[in-house]
Amino acid sequence: DGGITQSPKYLFRKEGQNVTLSCEQNLNHDAMYWYRQDPGQGLRLIYYSQIVNDFQKGDIAEGYSVSREKKESFPLTVTSAQKNPTAFYLCASSLERGGDTQYFGPGTRLTVL
Amino acid sequence: QQQVKQSPQSLIVQKGGISIINCAYENTAFDYFPWYQQFPGKGPALLIAIRPDVSEKKEGRFTISFNKSAKQFSLHIMDSQPGDSATYFCAAGGYNKLIFGAGTRLAVHP
Repeated sequence: DGGITQSPKYLFRKEGQNVTLSCEQNLNHDAMYWYRQDPGQGLRLIYYSQIVNDFQKGDIAEGYSVSREKKESFPLTVTSAQKNPTAFYLCASSLERGGDTQYFGPGTRLTVL
Repeated sequence: QQQVKQSPQSLIVQKGGISIINCAYENTAFDYFPWYQQFPGKGPALLIAIRPDVSEKKEGRFTISFNKSAKQFSLHIMDSQPGDSATYFCAAGGYNKLIFGAGTRLAVHP
């Protein structure tokens, strides 16, 4: 089956800890994205990557980091510098850059204890 | 210039009725306008999308109406069903990313 997988589905973290969220796609898509979803605020872009070894900050990149070492993988690290990390995190991919359909994974719900 | 404003925030419709959700954008460079449907605890799924060269697109019970001069577009769900109860997001795209509206929570009552 082709698609986007995110793991884990639920993640709990203590304050001050870094945590890495996994995103893998087997759609052979070039572009990948990370969004944060909070109630009543829609989806906000954290980082995106158009090609391997290249990525750009989105609207709310502070306190987050990413890497794109392989085309199919785009992990997101939530660092201790992120002031309010509790949220639903969504990964997406698209075939090409700009204005094209983005396909979303099932999401990871991160809770800081 | 980058905002997408979506209304209403929530909507209650009776089974068989028409659900209408509206969005407005500011940036005239946007050239792709999708609607996504999201069920609780799941990722959004593409429902229907339109490009600015057409004013309307229909897929089954779902229709997008697009008004380029007013910079507005809307989603119409005909014959709404309880299974349509979900959160709907509009988005506007262009050059590398999508800007999402805040979402509309739709409840279809039997």
